[in-house]
Amino acid sequence: QSALTQPPSASGSPGQSVTISCTGTSSDVGGYNYVSWYQQHPGKAPKLLIYEVSKRPSGVPDRLSGSKSGNTASLTVSGLQAEDEADYYCSSYAGSNLVVFGGGTKLTVL
Amino acid sequence: EVQLLESGGHLVQPGGSLRLSCAASGFTFSSYGMSWVRQAPGKGLEWVSAISGSGGTTYYSDSVKGRFTISRDNSKNTLYLQMNSLRAEDTAVYYCAKHAGGQWPVLRDAFDIWGQGTMVTVSS
Repeated sequence: QSALTQPPSASGSPGQSVTISCTGTSSDVGGYNYVSWYQQHPGKAPKLLIYEVSKRPSGVPDRLSGSKSGNTASLTVSGLQAEDEADYYCSSYAGSNLVVFGGGTKLTVL
Repeated sequence: EVQLLESGGHLVQPGGSLRLSCAASGFTFSSYGMSWVRQAPGKGLEWVSAISGSGGTTYYSDSVKGRFTISRDNSKNTLYLQMNSLRAEDTAVYYCAKHAGGQWPVLRDAFDIWGQGTMVTVSS
């Protein structure tokens, strides 16, 4: 099972919005509404940000949002803050009893 | 407080075996699926294996199928990963992760709680 495709890097200035894409196939992202997004700071464990494409767990600010169109899911971080600088990973249920992650995107706050 | 604490990571020779443990607290362990997710040094996340809350259903990635075995002891609130025939490419930080719950198969769940990870190094 191939990994989902994410851009290796993204950047934005404080206060701006940044969107990170996650491209899969009709067998994973496009076939199911079970896409999740995780944030990982260096040396730390991942943290769940978004589940089932666009749902936010309690405690995650509403300036983070998720969406999906066809085989591509997206995470938008609005009102960028310094603490948003981290690695971001998408994942999707891929049928056939598999889960697949994206390669990760390093977000830099300029 | 919901917590996951992994242990058992070690330096092991190629072809060797290792068993990882993940002690859970703060939630009804038997009600949730659990997964192991690994991260090779400087690389991204890779899902390894999952198990249903009862332990009756298990899932494996193609890269570890036939070599790794996931299990759980709900009386001890502990998740395990038995790793055999280890290879250099298995070198990674191994995280245990709690499934958010509510989906079947459990692989449709997001991972809402993660442990701090335990390092496995496979090298001669």
